[in-house]
Amino acid sequence: RKEVEQDPGPFNVPEGATVAFNCTYSNSASQSFFWYRQDCRKEPKLLMSVYSSGNEDGRFTAQLNRASQYISLLIRDSKLSDSATYLCVVMFSGSARQLTFGSGTQLTVLP
Amino acid sequence: NAGVTQTPKFQVLKTGQSMTLQCAQDMNHEYMSWYRQDPGMGLRLIHYSVGAGITDQGEVPNGYNVSRSTTEDFPLRLLSAAPSQTSVYFCASRKLNTEAFFGQGTRLTVV
Repeated sequence: RKEVEQDPGPFNVPEGATVAFNCTYSNSASQSFFWYRQDCRKEPKLLMSVYSSGNEDGRFTAQLNRASQYISLLIRDSKLSDSATYLCVVMFSGSARQLTFGSGTQLTVLP
Repeated sequence: NAGVTQTPKFQVLKTGQSMTLQCAQDMNHEYMSWYRQDPGMGLRLIHYSVGAGITDQGEVPNGYNVSRSTTEDFPLRLLSAAPSQTSVYFCASRKLNTEAFFGQGTRLTVV
């Protein structure tokens, strides 16, 4: 079983739609959580960190459920420019503080 | 604002050849790492370093060597290239407990 699992999609949604991605992780000793965005043939870039109380950045909302070991990303009022692959990233506890990446969820926002 | 600089961006190697992928960061980050990204498999950690003079293996280290003689530089060496090493390689750096910043990637093809 992968340590970080995501639905690969693809998710095809119309402009203006609300879309949600979930990510589950297997190691309960996880320290930090992030969502990254990766455009085609480009490097991953941080979209937002995920805090225990949940956090919002404009149209994006991230939530963490430690008891069930999952994190989520909600995108409201989707834009064409939101089309990308969204990577769930978990930092596990331990001396090296390794980052483990999910395989990514592909989103295409359609006009 | 250079951030993480990775070279080259593209490379074609013949089986058995060796080469070095360069990575440099100017953010004084302690932690540097190399990942490879293959379709459907997400980012997999090859090697990482928590500081100058300290390196360790990640998930897929075979066929690769690294060294960290300075805080800024973390080169990745392919000892004898194989077709299975055809991939996109990303270098990343971060402070120990924070998000990672990525270089632009190297697209490597081994024929």
